[in-house]
Amino acid sequence: EAGVTQFPSHSVIEKGQTVTLRCDPISGHDNLYWYRRVMGKEIKFLLHFVKESKQDESGMPNNRFLAERTGGTYSTLKVQPAELEDSGVYFCASSRAGIMNTEAFFGQGTRLTVV
Amino acid sequence: KQEVTQIPAALSVPEGENLVLNCSFTDSAIYNLQWFRQDPGKGLTSLLLIQSSQREQTSGRLNASLDKSSGRSTLYIAASQPGDSATYLCAVQMIKAAGNKLTFGGGTRVLVKP
Repeated sequence: EAGVTQFPSHSVIEKGQTVTLRCDPISGHDNLYWYRRVMGKEIKFLLHFVKESKQDESGMPNNRFLAERTGGTYSTLKVQPAELEDSGVYFCASSRAGIMNTEAFFGQGTRLTVV
Repeated sequence: KQEVTQIPAALSVPEGENLVLNCSFTDSAIYNLQWFRQDPGKGLTSLLLIQSSQREQTSGRLNASLDKSSGRSTLYIAASQPGDSATYLCAVQMIKAAGNKLTFGGGTRVLVKP
């Protein structure tokens, strides 16, 4: 069974540019999450999809971040325009249907550097 | 607001010694606690998940305990090997949280010296 896959693994962009991160969850997993870790801080929750619907986007830092999950399969996270403080590692995770007590499986992350 | 703390932030031990990693959380209203391993430049690998009703979970050389009332979990790694060198993270799933988002600690960076 393939794990959670994220593309690209690294991205270096200039301030003001746009970047789109992609996540392919484990097949059949309804829950999809985005997290990020900025330098020196803990991993923080960004948002949660159940299938194609946004269940919780309370962690999204501002309206420069837009997440979509087309047809309840893969998800994209777009940052437009990128700022220096957006640099960090963005993780995607997925889990089976249901809300409680389901194990989360993480991708390898996308390291974003905004210069 | 749930806060998860991991102490120490870094740990260095000689090969063969047992590892003891600590995780504490401020709000005991959790569904579960999960331990992860992260290698440099890699993603998070789930090691153990302990339900709130459980006291411990074991997998090979790994054993994780949970004391929900005192807000603590400990990950034991027996007979450490250089391949155990990595960052270990704990995360809790809150009962009050929408969905099952995780709240993470800062991690403990472990180095096992041959």
